[in-house]
Amino acid sequence: DTGVSQNPRHKITKRGQNVTFRCDPISEHNRLYWYRQTLGQGPEFLTYFQNEAQLEKSRLLSDRFSAERPKGSFSTLEIQRTEQGDSAMYLCASSSSLEADTQYFGPGTRLTVL
Amino acid sequence: AQTVTQSQPEMSVQEAETVTLSCTYDTSESDYYLFWYKQPPSRQMILVIRQEAYKQQNATENRFSVNFQKAAKSFSLKISDSQLGDAAMYFCAYRLLEYGNKLVFGAGTILRVKS
Repeated sequence: DTGVSQNPRHKITKRGQNVTFRCDPISEHNRLYWYRQTLGQGPEFLTYFQNEAQLEKSRLLSDRFSAERPKGSFSTLEIQRTEQGDSAMYLCASSSSLEADTQYFGPGTRLTVL
Repeated sequence: AQTVTQSQPEMSVQEAETVTLSCTYDTSESDYYLFWYKQPPSRQMILVIRQEAYKQQNATENRFSVNFQKAAKSFSLKISDSQLGDAAMYFCAYRLLEYGNKLVFGAGTILRVKS
């Protein structure tokens, strides 16, 4: 088991551009989560999937953000018309009900919006 | 609002000694899990320890143990025999069983280990 992986690890973009991040969860984990972390703060929940169904979305997830998990395996997080305030680390985690849904995190994607 | 408070922005400990990181949380629910995560400078979040709220016995994992006081809503982490590799940001978090699976994190405590 290779753990949760995220790509890219770093992304620099100009304001107004669209970006897409990918997360590959631990195999057999049916739940997948996205969090956002700004410097010096704890992660904040964005959204979560059980299999392919998106079950919860935070109010932090504006209309410019969309997440998908089309086949219940990997997930993508897209940010449209990026703003400087979107600069953050985007963390993905996955869990299994067999382990009390303990969440295991990936290394994150650091987004810098110029 | 559901919150987690880590009142110590930064702590230092001498190598081989013991340090305790504090955490308090606020929820009216009775069923939840509590976690400590470690985030080293490489930024990958690593699970340190988990505590089920319905268990009175404090969780332990090798050199890491917790002091869980449910009535006081307190969940501190004790690190014994501190090692240089323990230097990291430590986050306390909880997850409610009844309202989805999201983790609610505190702001973190930076732990520095002196040799």
